[in-house]
Amino acid sequence: GDSVTQMEGPVTLSEEAFLTINCTYTATGYPSLFWYVQYPGEGLQLLLKATKADDKGSNKGFEATYRKETTSFHLEKGSVQVSDSAVYFCALTANTGNQFYFGTGTSLTVIP
Amino acid sequence: KAGVTQTPRYLIKTRGQQVTLSCSPISGHRSVSWYQQTPGQGLQFLFEYFSETQRNKGNFPGRFSGRQFSNSRSEMNVSTLELGDSALYLCASSLDSTTYGYTFGSGTRLTVV
Repeated sequence: GDSVTQMEGPVTLSEEAFLTINCTYTATGYPSLFWYVQYPGEGLQLLLKATKADDKGSNKGFEATYRKETTSFHLEKGSVQVSDSAVYFCALTANTGNQFYFGTGTSLTVIP
Repeated sequence: KAGVTQTPRYLIKTRGQQVTLSCSPISGHRSVSWYQQTPGQGLQFLFEYFSETQRNKGNFPGRFSGRQFSNSRSEMNVSTLELGDSALYLCASSLDSTTYGYTFGSGTRLTVV
């Protein structure tokens, strides 16, 4: 079945460090891929998305490229800020359904 | 425009009771989904509704049910509450989830004692 495997956390970085959170997926067909972010006490916010292979999603300095050959959608940011501290979820949905499959989440803490 | 609104934000219920959670989607969004989030199981899909029809259902017992009204507002109901039902319940709406993804509400935190 469809699934997402996400890098285990927690991750602690210093401000201005480079961030990578790994995400790989298993899916039949051609899924759409997403990164969501969750701040304490809140729901999930869509960070970026890619709906087909080789698409690059980007938002607020974050980027991720849909790699069909490696079934990956790794999240990157060149210089993290304290305000980026949150939990990040990788997710997919296949064309044939409306169910999202989420990874387990990666907690990021950025220290000044 | 207004986001996805979930009410109430917090609930405390006793084991054996039932509970109804409400969700108002973004105007124009006809697809509404519900997810349960717990520290142990992460985010688990409950069900998805589109134009008052349940299109998809997750692997939850029959105690969990939902419905969608003609104005796209949705409710989920949990009967005979168990301690393990304590969780954050998230509602999400979309025009087309495959293309745009879902917009999530802030959730209802249910505590069963």
